[in-house]
Amino acid sequence: AQSVTQPDIHITVSEGASLELRCNYSYGATPYLFWYVQSPGQGLQLLLKYFSGDTLVQGIKGFEAEFKRSQSSFNLRKPSVHWSDAAEYFCAVGGGKSTFGDGTTLTVKP
Amino acid sequence: DTAVSQTPKYLVTQMGNDKSIKCEQNLGHDTMYWYKQDSKKFLKIMFSYNNKELIINETVPNRFSPKSPDKAHLNLHINSLELGDSAVYFCASSQRTGGQTGELFFGEGSRLTVL
Repeated sequence: AQSVTQPDIHITVSEGASLELRCNYSYGATPYLFWYVQSPGQGLQLLLKYFSGDTLVQGIKGFEAEFKRSQSSFNLRKPSVHWSDAAEYFCAVGGGKSTFGDGTTLTVKP
Repeated sequence: DTAVSQTPKYLVTQMGNDKSIKCEQNLGHDTMYWYKQDSKKFLKIMFSYNNKELIINETVPNRFSPKSPDKAHLNLHINSLELGDSAVYFCASSQRTGGQTGELFFGEGSRLTVL
């Protein structure tokens, strides 16, 4: 069965600092992988996706993620966080049905 | 034009009532979904329809009944509402690619509060 684990429930970073959100997945073949962001009171928006090819993928809002097959990971990174990045972040694996991690809440300190 | 729209955005109702949420997508996708997001923000898939055919039905009480009149619409009817049904319900759509679920496009959610 496919699954997604986001080990960090809550992360706090200072504005301007770098960010890494962790995601580990379980899937029998090469997965489709996604990161979504949810701002308060909003639906989820796609940040970036990996289907195949280059393992470093670029997304919107300056985010990137790296697929590491050997570690079953798809970590999200941003070199310099902005206050507007404060939100809930979800990692998901495609598969037969999209399975989401439990989310990581990002707080940005001024 | 909103890609995935769902109505109503808010529902407040008493236990035991019946309510419906409607969803429409104008993206031409062949697959639509209902997700439930609880108070801890966990997202769980409830149902999925592909070209009007039910393809995913998670362990959801049969008080929940989805209906897809065409591939652009997916509605959710809930009978005999219970306190535990309080949540945000998200509709989403996608195009299956290479046998896997592709990018999901979400509506803004319908917040259901059962009193």
